[in-house]
Amino acid sequence: GENVEQHPSTLSVQEGDSAVIKCTYSDSASNYFPWYKQELGKGPQLIIDIRSNVGEKKDQRIAVTLNKTAKHFSLHITETQPEDSAVYFCAASNQAGTALIFGKGTTLSVSS
Amino acid sequence: DAGITQSPRHKVTETGTPVTLRCHQTENHRYMYWYRQDPGHGLRLIHYSYGVKDTDKGEVSDGYSVSRSKTEDFLLTLESATSSQTSVYFCAISGEGANYGYTFGSGTRLTVV
Repeated sequence: GENVEQHPSTLSVQEGDSAVIKCTYSDSASNYFPWYKQELGKGPQLIIDIRSNVGEKKDQRIAVTLNKTAKHFSLHITETQPEDSAVYFCAASNQAGTALIFGKGTTLSVSS
Repeated sequence: DAGITQSPRHKVTETGTPVTLRCHQTENHRYMYWYRQDPGHGLRLIHYSYGVKDTDKGEVSDGYSVSRSKTEDFLLTLESATSSQTSVYFCAISGEGANYGYTFGSGTRLTVV
């Protein structure tokens, strides 16, 4: 089945810097790759997603890139702010498209 | 989150007792999921449902069972709770399956003593 690896597990940046989180997946049949943000004590929330027919997608300060050949995708956050501090999860759909398999998460800390 | 509620929010139970967690949705979504979240392991899929009475196992299903007798409710049962099942449990819903993202509930923190 699908396996998703996520790096780094922790990331500390200064306010205003950029942050990059990378994920790799194993199943070439996966075609949907969302990113979730989880704040303390809350459930994860979808922040951006990308499908296999697209190489890059942007939403204000957040962007996601996908390299299907290498089977990896990345989350880019520019001009980071303290409120970006959270745990971020990448995920990939399973072959049947019935469930998401998640990476282990990245704890992002933005210091002012 | 709007449209999905989990109960209870917190529970402490003793080893060997059965425990049932409830997920309730008002979105009429077809797909419902149970995940557990543990430090160093991220979110791991326990079971999911793709319709009333239609369920399937995830990667960590041992020791858990589920039931879905109506669209809005998805129950997770720990048949005989063990300390290794101490975790935060999240329910999620999706209208069209995994390829359209999930909405997560707020979680249930379960402690087995």
